[in-house]
Amino acid sequence: RKEVEQDPGPFNVPEGATVAFNCTYSNSASQSFFWYRQDCRKEPKLLMSVYSSGNEDGRFTAQLNRASQYISLLIRDSKLSDSATYLCVVWYGNKLVFGAGTILRVKS
Amino acid sequence: NAGVTQTPKFQVLKTGQSMTLQCAQDMNHNSMYWYRQDPGMGLRLIYYSASEGTTDKGEVPNGYNVSRLNKREFSLRLESAAPSQTSVYFCASSGLGQFFGPGTRLTVL
Repeated sequence: RKEVEQDPGPFNVPEGATVAFNCTYSNSASQSFFWYRQDCRKEPKLLMSVYSSGNEDGRFTAQLNRASQYISLLIRDSKLSDSATYLCVVWYGNKLVFGAGTILRVKS
Repeated sequence: NAGVTQTPKFQVLKTGQSMTLQCAQDMNHNSMYWYRQDPGMGLRLIYYSASEGTTDKGEVPNGYNVSRLNKREFSLRLESAAPSQTSVYFCASSGLGQFFGPGTRLTVL
């Protein structure tokens, strides 16, 4: 079983749609959680950290469920510029473990 | 600030050749990392360095060596390249969040 699992997609959505991505992780000792965004042929960039209480950054909302070892990312009012691969990332020990990513394509 | 820089951006090697990928950061971070990214597999950690003078193996260290030359620089060496090492290589450094370089696209023929 992979340490961090994501639905690879692709998710094809129209502009303005709301889309949600899920991620599960296997190590209950995981300490911190993040969503990264990666554009085609570019490096990953930190989108947001994920806190137990849930957190929001503009159109993006992240949730963490430690009991179920589950992380989610909700994107509201999708823009064309949101098209990218979204990486679920878990920190434990002193290193990050990356999911393989979920592809989002927003179409006009 | 340049952030994290990597050289070269692209490289083609023949099987058995050696090369060194260079990485530097100007954010005064203690920790630095080397990853490889292959289709459908996400980023996998090759080696990391928690501080100057220390290095540790990650998930896929075989066929690679690293040097933490100083606080700024962390290099990755392929002593005898193999086709299985064809990949995109990312260097990263870590402070409040992890920051990545632009990547090196390596093809081994």
